[in-house]
Amino acid sequence: DGGITQSPKYLFRKEGQNVTLSCEQNLNHDAMYWYRQDPGQGLRLIYYSQIVNDFQKGDIAEGYSVSREKKESFPLTVTSAQKNPTAFYLCASSPRTELEELFFGEGSRLTVL
Amino acid sequence: DAKTTQPNSMESNEEEPVHLPCNHSTISGTDYIHWYRQLPSQGPEYVIHGLTSNVNNRMASLAIAEDRKSSTLILHRATLRDAAVYYCIPDGNKLVFGAGTILRVKS
Repeated sequence: DGGITQSPKYLFRKEGQNVTLSCEQNLNHDAMYWYRQDPGQGLRLIYYSQIVNDFQKGDIAEGYSVSREKKESFPLTVTSAQKNPTAFYLCASSPRTELEELFFGEGSRLTVL
Repeated sequence: DAKTTQPNSMESNEEEPVHLPCNHSTISGTDYIHWYRQLPSQGPEYVIHGLTSNVNNRMASLAIAEDRKSSTLILHRATLRDAAVYYCIPDGNKLVFGAGTILRVKS
């Protein structure tokens, strides 16, 4: 079945370590997005990419990095520069732009100890 | 970006209709109104979207005010599986998700 796969679902890391979250889609979508969600809050956009080898910062990009070397993959690295990395991270994709329906993965919950 | 106002929470009885309101008084003329919902510990899922006319699909109906400053998501018969956070997003760029409305459904 087509969809978006995020891994791992749960991740624990020590403070100061970089962490990479995986996001893969087999929907042949051009655009991919990373959001962060804190408890009881809405989603905030970290980075997005509308085409391979190109990506733009969202509202809270500091302390994060991404790459888009393949159409189906958009990994997110949470670096040690991110002050409060513990959160629920959601990856999404859409056929072309955010005007079209977003398809979300099931999320990755990162806890930094 | 257009600002939205949604109730923090609403409650409904099972099998009854639910009307979830959203105010977006600063919406631009070209912004679509999107609705998504998020079940606990899952990613959001698309519900419906529209521009000016009312819209219907298998999940819900979307009623858009004539001046487009507000809209209402209508669930015709709420079920326990409809308990979720509902997001109204009238922004055509980057789909900004606010806090949404927590819908509780009582059996």
